Amino acid sequence: SQQGEEDPQALSIQEGENATMNCSYKTSINNLQWYRQNSGRGLVHLILIRSNEREKHSGRLRVTLDTSKKSSSLLITASRAADTASYFCATVVIQGAQKLVFGQGTRLTINP
Amino acid sequence: DAGVIQSPRHEVTEMGQEVTLRCKPISGHDYLFWYRQTMMRGLELLIYFNNNVPIDDSGMPEDRFSAKMPNASFSTLKIQPSEPRDSAVYFCASSTTGQGSGYTFGSGTRLTVV
Repeated sequence: SQQGEEDPQALSIQEGENATMNCSYKTSINNLQWYRQNSGRGLVHLILIRSNEREKHSGRLRVTLDTSKKSSSLLITASRAADTASYFCATVVIQGAQKLVFGQGTRLTINP
Repeated sequence: DAGVIQSPRHEVTEMGQEVTLRCKPISGHDYLFWYRQTMMRGLELLIYFNNNVPIDDSGMPEDRFSAKMPNASFSTLKIQPSEPRDSAVYFCASSTTGQGSGYTFGSGTRLTVV
């Protein structure tokens, strides 16, 4: 069963705008991770945020985590055409050791 | 490091045939995962290994699926006999102990069973 659910399922914006994707999960977690998948390719790890962290940055990426609401958001600032991809959140549940459970993903399209 | 290497990249086989997918994890990584991705079900964890030992195979669909990791640098996922509903992209990923690192995924094997 899916642990995380991304929202929206699809997002289309103009180049230069910011893109925000949300993820909700059901059980307590150890950490939450975001991945990107370009069409026909494998997943690429973007960023990891631990359960005791509230915000993390990496370049144009900003991730927030609200454990009380069991939700996370991924913000991509100043989007580029190359950011077009599917974005997945994934959680490591406390009981699940290294087991990563993925959501269904958000399909992001950046229009030039 | 060349990353996680999977072979073949594409596999087309007839229903009933045996299919073997291969994976070479990143050297030094002690966890290896097999995932399956379909439009309908998304990414599903099939099985994962720690130090070559299977830890959780609860995601393996049925007895037709089996996975092995004979050493730290090689794993196989076998489907015998294959069925059309097994058509999917199969990903292998590896990671290291500790919660601070993400997974490194291979490029996947696109399996089509006709």
